[in-house]
Amino acid sequence: SQQGEEDPQALSIQEGENATMNCSYKTSINNLQWYRQNSGRGLVHLILIRSNEREKHSGRLRVTLDTSKKSSSLLITASRAADTASYFCATGLITGANSKLTFGKGITLSVRP
Amino acid sequence: GAVVSQHPSRVICKSGTSVKIECRSLDFQATTMFWYRQFPKQSLMLMATSNEGSKATYEQGVEKDKFLINHASLTLSTLTVTSAHPEDSSFYICSARLAGGTETQYFGPGTRLLVL
Repeated sequence: SQQGEEDPQALSIQEGENATMNCSYKTSINNLQWYRQNSGRGLVHLILIRSNEREKHSGRLRVTLDTSKKSSSLLITASRAADTASYFCATGLITGANSKLTFGKGITLSVRP
Repeated sequence: GAVVSQHPSRVICKSGTSVKIECRSLDFQATTMFWYRQFPKQSLMLMATSNEGSKATYEQGVEKDKFLINHASLTLSTLTVTSAHPEDSSFYICSARLAGGTETQYFGPGTRLLVL
């Protein structure tokens, strides 16, 4: 069953503005990951946050995780036109030596130059 | 590092034919590879988990005889769509996990399949 549900489904902002995308999930997780997908292309891994972490930064990306609310947010600061893409959150569950990712429906981000 | 390739990038075939898609980890060994399917403007749905040297584990609702998976080496997994039909048209994406790793998956660029 699908885990992550992103919010909003679509976001349009001006270049230079910040973009905030949210993800909610339903069951226990070991980690939560955010991916970017350009149209018709594969996925690019952006950032991973573990269930015992609350916040993580990577360049212009900031991700938070609230396990009590089962939610995460991805903030892209000082957005650029090149950030235009679909963004997916994926919950990771590790069972023994195996792990599985369950993806949300994705958010379409448009950054206007 | 951690580059995954897929071949072909796109394929058009006639209904009833079989199509093989290759997924390769180029610069690392992957004991586990995953196959996903993505419909237009939809999420990725996990089809199966492929472990090197053993049978693939299929997700509920995925026909194993329809989608044959072979993971014969630590760098190659193949997905064969047998007797393809138009409803099998989709974007197929593979990912690979580093041997000994458990968390991060590295994704291939995807294969677009169109069945006429």
